[in-house]
Amino acid sequence: DAMVIQNPRYQVTQFGKPVTLSCSQTLNHNVMYWYQQKSSQAPKLLFHYYDKDFNNEADTPDNFQSRRPNTSFCFLDIRSPGLGDAAMYLCATSRELAGRTNEQFFGPGTRLTVL
Amino acid sequence: DAKTTQPPSMDCAEGRAANLPCNHSTISGNEYVYWYRQIHSQGPQYIIHGLKNNETNEMASLIITEDRKSSTLILPHATLRDTAVYYCIVRSPRDSGGYQKVTFGIGTKLQVIP
Repeated sequence: DAMVIQNPRYQVTQFGKPVTLSCSQTLNHNVMYWYQQKSSQAPKLLFHYYDKDFNNEADTPDNFQSRRPNTSFCFLDIRSPGLGDAAMYLCATSRELAGRTNEQFFGPGTRLTVL
Repeated sequence: DAKTTQPPSMDCAEGRAANLPCNHSTISGNEYVYWYRQIHSQGPQYIIHGLKNNETNEMASLIITEDRKSSTLILPHATLRDTAVYYCIVRSPRDSGGYQKVTFGIGTKLQVIP
């Protein structure tokens, strides 16, 4: 089945130690999103790629970076995780053609713990 | 930016219709209303979306007021599996610079009661 896959599902890192979360998709969607969701809060968009174009939200900390080496994969890099970065990180994809916006398909998320 | 307001929680008896409201009084004319739900520890799941007209699919109906300042998601016959957090989202089309805004509301925690 076509899907959005996130690895790992659970990630533990140490304070200040760089960590990378990965997302892959078999949907061949041209847009990929990264959201941060803290406990009991709504998902918050960090950034997204529209094809190869990177779109950063104004309030996303510089500590968060992203890479999209090809259509199928997208990575979230946290350069120096702090305790406040502990959260669920959600990847989503969508297909956008000719300016039409379609629904987003979400992965199961990676729960990040910072010790 | 358009914001959404939702009640934090609602209960609904199993088999009855669940009506979940959302206010988006600052919505722009070209912004869409999307609804997603999130079952505990899973990624959000798409339910339905609309611009101006009411919409219906196999999961739910979406009623958007004529002034577009609010909408209601209707689950016609709620089951226990519909217990989840329901998010109302306003989503703008991509602008000339390639930017698109996606704003989640706080969500309504729907509890379906046997």
